Amino acid sequence: GAVVSQHPSWVICKSGTSVKIECRSLDFQATTMFWYRQFPKQSLMLMATSNEGSKATYEQGVEKDKFLINHASLTLSTLTVTSAHPEDSSFYICSARAEGHDTDTQYFGPGTRLTVL
Amino acid sequence: GQNIDQPTEMTATEGAIVQINCTYQTSGFNGLFWYQQHAGEAPTFLSYNVLDGLEEKGRFSSFLSRSKGYSYLLLKELQMKDSASYLCAAMMNTGFQKLVFGTGTRLLVSP
Repeated sequence: GAVVSQHPSWVICKSGTSVKIECRSLDFQATTMFWYRQFPKQSLMLMATSNEGSKATYEQGVEKDKFLINHASLTLSTLTVTSAHPEDSSFYICSARAEGHDTDTQYFGPGTRLTVL
Repeated sequence: GQNIDQPTEMTATEGAIVQINCTYQTSGFNGLFWYQQHAGEAPTFLSYNVLDGLEEKGRFSSFLSRSKGYSYLLLKELQMKDSASYLCAAMMNTGFQKLVFGTGTRLLVSP
């Protein structure tokens, strides 16, 4: 149990375009999902906390107008990178907290590798 | 503020025991997680400590001392497949809960 999927697993896009990444909890409901970014050989940096039915909470330094988060249902959150630029190229990982499961453990999706040309 | 420190890199040999330390300073501390991450993959959950003491799970054990802001992950009977990054993460509760990750420790297991 506690499987989280992400789509797409990788994407290459041109500078200036927008990219949407989906995060789904497959076998549990998640009122809270998290979006992280990881640059090569670095650790995960929390970008924002996504709450079902309400606005996301962004970490300091993360532009909410550039990284749009929508948590439309208890099993789906989306991250849209708007007007992507090469410096946005990174590994984006979502996680979902399975509340009531295993002391609020977060389960991670497989990640999405974004390359902006 | 928050600060979570781990050694950057460690090496060990197959069959040995290795201990990866993590020190943290966070507000609203609500537990300490350890994750394993292979290159290019997402982290996988290893352990969670909220109370002081040792939690054992097969070859992996994790220890927490809340008063010292200190945790360690102990890996026994090392195997080549244990070569990975190990991430220490503190659960913070500042109105809502979130995980803050340390820098990660890259472990290389050699024959």
